[in-house]
Amino acid sequence: NAGVTQTPKFRILKIGQSMTLQCAQDMNHNYMYWYRQDPGMGLKLIYYSVGAGITDKGEVPNGYNVSRSTTEDFPLRLELAAPSQTSVYFCASSFLGSTGELFFGEGSRLTVL
Amino acid sequence: DAKTTQPNSMESNEEEPVHLPCNHSTISGTDYIHWYRQLPSQGPEYVIHGLTSNVNNRMASLAIAEDRKSSTLILHRATLRDAAVYYCILTTDSWGKLQFGAGTQVVVTP
Repeated sequence: NAGVTQTPKFRILKIGQSMTLQCAQDMNHNYMYWYRQDPGMGLKLIYYSVGAGITDKGEVPNGYNVSRSTTEDFPLRLELAAPSQTSVYFCASSFLGSTGELFFGEGSRLTVL
Repeated sequence: DAKTTQPNSMESNEEEPVHLPCNHSTISGTDYIHWYRQLPSQGPEYVIHGLTSNVNNRMASLAIAEDRKSSTLILHRATLRDAAVYYCILTTDSWGKLQFGAGTQVVVTP
């Protein structure tokens, strides 16, 4: 059971480039989330999804886009990368929402130069 | 979501209990109290959660004050592996969205 898998683990981008962070879960969870964590800070919610075809903005959605075409996958797209998007990105999934636990991936460390 | 207040850091000796306090004076009746921890260079890991009653699991215990304005996470016997940042989070959001604060850095010394 792989849980939540994120790729890539590390990536360096130039300003203005675009890329997609991949997230896949094999637990048949309806709820999925993308968070970012800046050095020494707590996590901030970027986008979340409550099922295939349903997504919504979190606390810091600007500069990002998401899609959820299947239950398993929840990719995060960065358009026109900026240095402010240098961060560690975590994907998470949950079966029960607020009454259950979130399972997190190992993170994707992104540097924009 | 209601906010929480935690100490910045706490120290403990190995094999001793650790009591991590969390204040949440503006908690509402439907807010769940969640605890997660984050080991260095890893994603957060669920520890425990509760609503009104005290909760126990294999990792820890959660003691919730009668007025629910504070709670305490108890690690019964700290190990070096318990050194992490511990987050106390409230949520009434049915979508499971969590609002992380800065957490408490727990240092365990041998």
